[in-house]
Amino acid sequence: ETGVTQTPRHLVMGMTNKKSLKCEQHLGHNAMYWYKQSAKKPLELMFVYNFKEQTENNSVPSRFSPECPNSSHLFLHLHTLQPEDSALYLCASSQEMSNTEAFFGQGTRLTVV
Amino acid sequence: GENVEQHPSTLSVQEGDSAVIKCTYSDSASNYFPWYKQELGKRPQLIIDIRSNVGEKKDQRIAVTLNKTAKHFSLHITETQPEDSAVYFCAARVTGGGNKLTFGTGTQLKVEL
Repeated sequence: ETGVTQTPRHLVMGMTNKKSLKCEQHLGHNAMYWYKQSAKKPLELMFVYNFKEQTENNSVPSRFSPECPNSSHLFLHLHTLQPEDSALYLCASSQEMSNTEAFFGQGTRLTVV
Repeated sequence: GENVEQHPSTLSVQEGDSAVIKCTYSDSASNYFPWYKQELGKRPQLIIDIRSNVGEKKDQRIAVTLNKTAKHFSLHITETQPEDSAVYFCAARVTGGGNKLTFGTGTQLKVEL
């Protein structure tokens, strides 16, 4: 266990559903990320939070809404998704201002039907 | 922003041979370059990293080289084994630059018996 936990591991949702992905890290890091991994664009950065503040939104559609209530928790709220949004969503954390690695969670395998 | 290109996208080698994966980056301010290995169904995990103040780093069968002038870095795996089969991602980061870790598109390495 790397200290980054994502729930749920698998999620199937309809296009009209609202769901949330959760990420929690116990590493004392102050930067957290959401990545989307699909066959077309492996490890595509979606959002970055530093010290709870969003510092990067990589042109992500508004149907994806991140939330970072504190440095240990990160959410991705999903609403009216499309089938092409089906992918593995990976959360990661790292220490800001430090040349150290980013630790990844196991990911949530999302299927939109 | 930073753009990281990775080649080849697939690589097949015989067990015992060497494998080389190359990446280029665009932002000359990038100063941290990690390599991640992702086995099937698992999270990406760091295998080696290099910082901009060194040109080469080695850890057993794995080595990474960095050419800052040319803005490229490479992963070298010697004496490959079947368990080296995985997807390998290079990445680049500018410390303090929003802490964004930009990944390459990945290389599917297959080590054949």
